[in-house]
Order: sequence, then C-alpha cells, then structure tokens
Amino acid sequence: TQLLEQSPQFLSIQEGENLTVYCNSSSVFSSLQWYRQEPGEGPVLLVTVVTGGEVKKLKRLTFQFGDARKDSSLHITAAQPGDTGLYLCAGDDGKTSYDKVIFGPGTSLSVIP
Amino acid sequence: DTAVSQTPKYLVTQMGNDKSIKCEQNLGHDTMYWYKQDSKKFLKIMFSYNNKELIINETVPNRFSPKSPDKAHLNLHINSLELGDSAVYFCASSQDPASGDNEQFFGPGTRLTVL
Repeated sequence: TQLLEQSPQFLSIQEGENLTVYCNSSSVFSSLQWYRQEPGEGPVLLVTVVTGGEVKKLKRLTFQFGDARKDSSLHITAAQPGDTGLYLCAGDDGKTSYDKVIFGPGTSLSVIP
Repeated sequence: DTAVSQTPKYLVTQMGNDKSIKCEQNLGHDTMYWYKQDSKKFLKIMFSYNNKELIINETVPNRFSPKSPDKAHLNLHINSLELGDSAVYFCASSQDPASGDNEQFFGPGTRLTVL
C-alpha cells in the first residue's frame, strides 16, 4: 500500500513570512499533484509535477519533485492571508490503466494578517 | 455553469436511515469518483467509475452503493446510516486517467451528519 506523508500537519505564520511544506513517500510516483482546499469547498489543483528534479513556479509558490520521484516540496514566499487553506499532495503510481490518486493527510496553513 | 455539482450541500439524518447524494459534471469527463473526507481532513477514495463502469471500489461497506446512469452522473446511495458515516463526501471527475490526465475536479462537497 502506497502512503503519502505530509509535514508539518499544522502551520500558523505571520503575513510576509516564507514557508515550506513537505510530502514524502517510500514509493515512487509517476506524477505528483498539489491541491489547495479552502473551508467549505473541494480541493483545487495547483500543479502537477512529472519529472524527477522538476521545479515549477506559480507566482509565489514553488513546487519541486524529488530526483527519485518519492517526495515533493511546496515553498511559499511572502505568505498572504489568501494562502490560508489545506494543502494536499496526491500521487499517481502509474501502474494501472485507471490510476488511483492517493492523497496525503494535508498541511493546514493559517496566515495571520 | 458549475463544473462538478453535488446535492445536497448539507444532510442531517438519523442512524438507520437511507439517503442519497447526487453528483453531476458538465466537463465531458469519462471518469467520476466519490471521496470521503473525515474529521481529520483525510481524503480517501471510495469509488471510481469510467463510462458508467465501476473501476475502483476501495473496500467500502456494501451499505454504500454508487449508481451511474450516464457518464455525467454518479450518485451515492447509503443504506442503514451509522454514526461513523458522518463526514464530508466529495464527488470528482477527471478527463482520462489512462493517458495520465488525472487532474481531479472536485465538487463542493456534501456534509453528512448522522445523529
């Protein structure tokens, strides 16, 4: 059974600070996704990383996929209150035709104005 | 023009009752899913359907019965509701997992409370 772990579980920071959240597994994933979920809503995809070592930027968010494709990180620069939410990583093992996406337990981020 | 819609948004019911949650997607996707998110926010897949055919069933009790009348709809019927069924249930769809395009588009969720 493939498992994804995320750390930290909770993070509360002041507006303007930088932060990094991590997603780790002992398994290799063909791709990894990051979602953000706001209260009362469903998760929304932020990015998909596919290649080991890949780095993608989305404004103040930087995503990196580990060289071995077992881990990923999300770095937010100068966090804003609008970044508050639950950040979920999700992996696709790519082993079956209809790949099951496995979600990590999430990092709950609170950015205080 | 909501992409993935679910009804109802909230559902409060007594233990032992039977209830249904409806889901529709207008994205033209072939694959639809049901997820359960517990109180700790852990999101776990329950079922996946591709073109009305069951693809994934994650050892969900048979009190839960998904039904897909067409590829745009995936409804979830729950019999004999139990306290542990209380959670937020999310419907989702994706374009073509077989080709690697498995971005999940989620509905707004249905918060089920069993009393």
